[in-house]
Amino acid sequence: AQSVTQPDIHITVSEGASLELRCNYSYGATPYLFWYVQSPGQGLQLLLKYFSGDTLVQGIKGFEAEFKRSQSSFNLRKPSVHWSDAAEYFCAVGARTGFQKLVFGTGTRLLVSP
Amino acid sequence: EADIYQTPRYLVIGTGKKITLECSQTMGHDKMYWYQQDPGMELHLIHYSYGVNSTEKGDLSSESTVSRIRTEHFPLTLESARPSHTSQYLCASSRIAGVEQFFGPGTRLTVL
Repeated sequence: AQSVTQPDIHITVSEGASLELRCNYSYGATPYLFWYVQSPGQGLQLLLKYFSGDTLVQGIKGFEAEFKRSQSSFNLRKPSVHWSDAAEYFCAVGARTGFQKLVFGTGTRLLVSP
Repeated sequence: EADIYQTPRYLVIGTGKKITLECSQTMGHDKMYWYQQDPGMELHLIHYSYGVNSTEKGDLSSESTVSRIRTEHFPLTLESARPSHTSQYLCASSRIAGVEQFFGPGTRLTVL
């Protein structure tokens, strides 16, 4: 069965510092990979996605993620965090065949300190 | 503007009441989904639909029911609300051949 692990429940980063959020997945083949962001009381917004091709994916709001097949990872990065980036971040995987439902990780809450 | 809408955004209701959470999308998507999310937890798929007159149960067992009479509309109903139903409910949609899902703002339900 597919599963997604986000090992960090909370992360605190100083404003202007770099950020890396970890995501590992378990799946029989290479799935579709996504990062979503959720602000308090809001739905989820897609930050970026990986389907195929270049393993370094650029997204919105200055985020990027790198797919590493050998490590089954899809870590999210940002070179300089802004206070408005404080939110919950979810990694998700989707099957390439069949119903293609998404399986989400438990999320990482990002706190940004002044 | 193409979007996905959920109403109400917040609902506080007493035990035993019947409630319907509304979800509508104007993106022309065939597939729609309902997720349940408890605070600080991951999303769990409770219902999905491939299109009109198609509804399926998701991974997490739920006492709610759904219907899909129109492509753009996917309401979720609880016949008799209980405190255990207190949660956030998120609606999403995607193209028939796509896996990327677009989410509504959610409905936060509190059952007293």
